[in-house]
Amino acid sequence: NAGVTQTPKFRVLKTGQSMTLLCAQDMNHEYMYWYRQDPGMGLRLIHYSVGEGTTAKGEVPDGYNVSRLKKQNFLLGLESAAPSQTSVYFCASRLLQTSTDTQYFGPGTRLTVL
Amino acid sequence: DQQVKQNSPSLSVQEGRISILNCDYTNSMFDYFLWYKKYPAEGPTFLISISSIKDKNEDGRFTVFLNKSAKHLSLHIVPSQPGDSAVYFCAAVLYGGSYIPTFGRGTSLIVHP
Repeated sequence: NAGVTQTPKFRVLKTGQSMTLLCAQDMNHEYMYWYRQDPGMGLRLIHYSVGEGTTAKGEVPDGYNVSRLKKQNFLLGLESAAPSQTSVYFCASRLLQTSTDTQYFGPGTRLTVL
Repeated sequence: DQQVKQNSPSLSVQEGRISILNCDYTNSMFDYFLWYKKYPAEGPTFLISISSIKDKNEDGRFTVFLNKSAKHLSLHIVPSQPGDSAVYFCAAVLYGGSYIPTFGRGTSLIVHP
């Protein structure tokens, strides 16, 4: 079991470039989430998905798009990167068996936008 | 406006002593509370949780206390160890809807040998 994996681990972009971050989980979890973590700001939810083919906006969705075409994958896209999107991005997944199932997080992707 | 607040950005403790990390929340509808631990360059990992029907939950050296009337919870680590040095996030969840935790900004704990 690899758990939750994120690709890539690091990336540097120029303003205006696009990229896709990939999150994969092998635990058959229903829920998946994308967060960003900025210094002193904790974890802020960007988008989430409650199942294959469904996505919803979180607290800070602007400038990002997501897709969940397969249950095990959750993609986060930046169409036109901005310096304000420099952050560490975490993906998480959660089983949907009980109301107290917790989230499992990936190791993070550190993104710098110049 | 922050619904989950961790007012101490950092905490320094001597090895063997007690570490107390605090968390306050404003939404009385929160039903479930969690603590996550995060080491540098790693993702957060679940540490301990508590339901709103309880006031205490213990797991080894870690105990979480919940005071619903004060909308306050705390994480106690006894005894503290250098390996406990990490950032600790408090999170709160509303039952009944999509499972969307609201996270605090974290407290960085340093345990000195």
